[in-house]
Order: sequence, then C-alpha cells, then structure tokens
Amino acid sequence: EPEVTQTPSHQVTQMGQEVILRCVPISNHLYFYWYRQILGQKVEFLVSFYNNEISEKSEIFDDQFSVERPDGSNFTLKIRSTKLEDSAMYFCASLGGLGYGYTFGSGTRLTVV
Amino acid sequence: DAKTTQPTSMDCAEGRAANLPCNHSTISGNEYVYWYRQIHSQGPQYIIHGLKNNETNEMASLIITEDRKSSTLILPHATLRDTAVYYCIVRVAGGTSYGKLTFGQGTILTVHP
Repeated sequence: EPEVTQTPSHQVTQMGQEVILRCVPISNHLYFYWYRQILGQKVEFLVSFYNNEISEKSEIFDDQFSVERPDGSNFTLKIRSTKLEDSAMYFCASLGGLGYGYTFGSGTRLTVV
Repeated sequence: DAKTTQPTSMDCAEGRAANLPCNHSTISGNEYVYWYRQIHSQGPQYIIHGLKNNETNEMASLIITEDRKSSTLILPHATLRDTAVYYCIVRVAGGTSYGKLTFGQGTILTVHP
C-alpha cells in the first residue's frame, strides 16, 4: 500500500536554528498538507498546498514557516528560527482526490532545546 | 465544517464489537462523515467515510442515521491493536474543496484482553 514517507523521524535542534522537515507524498496525489501535534494536544492543521502554491494556512503558520515542493516529489516544511514552543510531532499528509481519505506520514518529532 | 461530539473514552473487550458514536447534528447536505484513528502518536490513519449510505470496508463499518445527524463506527471484532484515539470528522468533499481536516479530541478506545 502506498505510503507517505517523512524524514527524519526525530530531530533535535537548538532554539533559533532553522530546520527543514521532509516528506515524500504518494506519487499521484495532488494535495499536500502539514499538521502538528504538541504532546498531549489535538492534531492541528498548519497548511495545505496545491498546484505549487499554498491554498490555505492556519494562524499557526506565520512568517517563520514556509513550504516548498522543490522537485516534484519532495514536500518540505521549513521553520526559520525555531522556538521552544515549536516542539511537536509534525505530520505530512497527501490526498488523491474525491472519494479518498487523506494519507498521513508517521511524523517527525521535533524537539527544540 | 460541522462540529462533532464524541464520548471522551470507551472500553471494549477483545473479540467483541466496538461501537463508537458520533453526533453531528449540524451536518449539511454536502458534508461527508470521515473516521480516522491515531495509535499512540503515530500519524492519523484513515478508516472509512460516507455521505448517507452505510459503508463497509476491511477495517470497519459506518452506520449513518437517516437524518444524518449521527453515525456509529463499528469495529466488528476488536483486537488489542485497535486501542487508539478515534476521530469523527465532518467535512465537504469534492469540487475544489480539499481543505483541512479539523481534529477534535476524539474518543479514546481501550480494548481489554
């Protein structure tokens, strides 16, 4: 069964550093998403991406965040200057279209120290 | 997207059917009912979705009431591996609307030996 692959599985970074979280969505999917989950809290939407541009973003997704699909297969989330409160699980998801469920990756655990 | 209400937690004996209810009394005509689950901080996993007819797949059955104001997810023979948080999400599908999923707190299902 096709999977969404995320790397790394765990990343530790110092406050103020830039991090890039990587995702390889399912190859024929067209819609891509990032979500995050702070420990013990709900899964929260960050951003959706379609046709090489952001289609929707949440209030969490401020100027410190950016997304890119650099080569037609990878989908990345960049956090420019990490804060302690950015520590969370970050999930990538992709969607093929009508009638299908979203497929989520297994997540990247980001720890900011 | 319409709001959903789910019990905070439920228990089920292994091998028995688990019936997870969801109330979505403000659902509109073009909104689907989706069910996802999250096993211990893994990425959410799609289970099933439906519009108004009952649906069944290899994982579960979805029963939607005739007025569409509530639904029940049925895991016919629960196993210990079905212990997870189960999310009922209502959203529009189709057309140009492939936006975010809004996760609530979900139902914590614990399957006991």
